Amino acid sequence: KNQVEQSPQSLIILEGKNCTLQCNYTVSPFSNLRWYKQDTGRGPVSLTIMTFSENTKSNGRYTATLDADTKQSSLHITASQLSDSASYICVVRPGRAGSYQLTFGKGTKLSVIP
Amino acid sequence: EAQVTQNPRYLITVTGKKLTVTCSQNMNHEYMSWYRQDPGLGLRQIYYSMNVEVTDKGDVPEGYKVSRKEKRNFPLILESPSPNQTSLYFCASRGQSEGPQHFGDGTRLSIL
Repeated sequence: KNQVEQSPQSLIILEGKNCTLQCNYTVSPFSNLRWYKQDTGRGPVSLTIMTFSENTKSNGRYTATLDADTKQSSLHITASQLSDSASYICVVRPGRAGSYQLTFGKGTKLSVIP
Repeated sequence: EAQVTQNPRYLITVTGKKLTVTCSQNMNHEYMSWYRQDPGLGLRQIYYSMNVEVTDKGDVPEGYKVSRKEKRNFPLILESPSPNQTSLYFCASRGQSEGPQHFGDGTRLSIL
């Protein structure tokens, strides 16, 4: 069964510090991997999308990396801000023809404190 | 402004009383989906649609129906709601199969 596992489940960091969130997946074949940010009470918002051939992609202070060989991805947040407090969700799209479903991780809840 | 709009945002109702949650997008997207989000379980797909009149089941379709008569609308129907359908529901759309999903702000349903 296709799975996406995220770690840690939750994380507390001081404002201004960096952090890295992990995502391991078993989805195969693989089409692309996405990271979303979900603020409390809101819908998820797309941060990055990476295809099989991409190793890294940045969106401001967010940098996602992908190792398709080990089926691992990470999301690095630089110089964290209070507004980064949210859940971060890793999502994988299978590469099967005609498949439109996405496999979601359960998310990492990040709290940035002053 | 590009957006996905869900209504209502909050609803408390009773077991067995049919309800519909509407979803509309203004981006001319082909793909639309419904998800439910429960504590500890993350987002789970209920139904999805690849285009008008084309829908398919997701991971947890039991107890739900959908329709896609127009490109912009994708309502979620609970014919006979039960307490285990109490959850936070999200509608999403995307223009291409490889593109980012745009989510609505959610509908919190409580079924007593």
